[in-house]
Amino acid sequence: DGGITQSPKYLFRKEGQNVTLSCEQNLNHDAMYWYRQDPGQGLRLIYYSQIVNDFQKGDIAEGYSVSREKKESFPLTVTSAQKNPTAFYLCASSIGNRGQGLSSYEQYFGPGTRLTVT
Amino acid sequence: SQQGEEDPQALSIQEGENATMNCSYKTSINNLQWYRQNSGRGLVHLILIRSNEREKHSGRLRVTLDTSKKSSSLLITASRAADTASYFCATKRTSYGKLTFGQGTILTVHP
Repeated sequence: DGGITQSPKYLFRKEGQNVTLSCEQNLNHDAMYWYRQDPGQGLRLIYYSQIVNDFQKGDIAEGYSVSREKKESFPLTVTSAQKNPTAFYLCASSIGNRGQGLSSYEQYFGPGTRLTVT
Repeated sequence: SQQGEEDPQALSIQEGENATMNCSYKTSINNLQWYRQNSGRGLVHLILIRSNEREKHSGRLRVTLDTSKKSSSLLITASRAADTASYFCATKRTSYGKLTFGQGTILTVHP
């Protein structure tokens, strides 16, 4: 089965703790993305990566960090510096490479992780 | 402000009717994409339309793009209860640009 997976589906943390969300894809895609979705809202881009060992900040990167050590994996850490971390987090991947541009092709999304921080 | 803005915010119809959702954007684009999201799930890509295209079809879906008006519409014909979901447009401004998502239209199809 080819696809993109996120784990866990639900995550609960106490305020002040860092938490890492997992995202894995076996689609052989170069580009990977992290988005945040708040209730009734669209998606906002947190970080993206065009290639292994390279990533860029999106529109709302403050309080988040990522790594891209393997093509298949793009974990997101929500740090204690993120003021309002409770949200639905979506990971996506696409074929896009530097020659074609990030989003020349459609993005494939994982099922999401709902993070609740209390 | 959002590059893509959907209209209406919510749409409620009966099974068998057509559903039309609109998306407006502010700057020129490379392509525009439509996605569907079932409640609590990830997004699923529906259609991508490039800036030099005016219309695309996929099954019961029809997407139009009017670059002079900076707008796009998604038409779902003969809707089914299973079409109930949120629909998002996403725009890509340049070849190297990121996708920017609108806030979505919530479609409810009553059996």
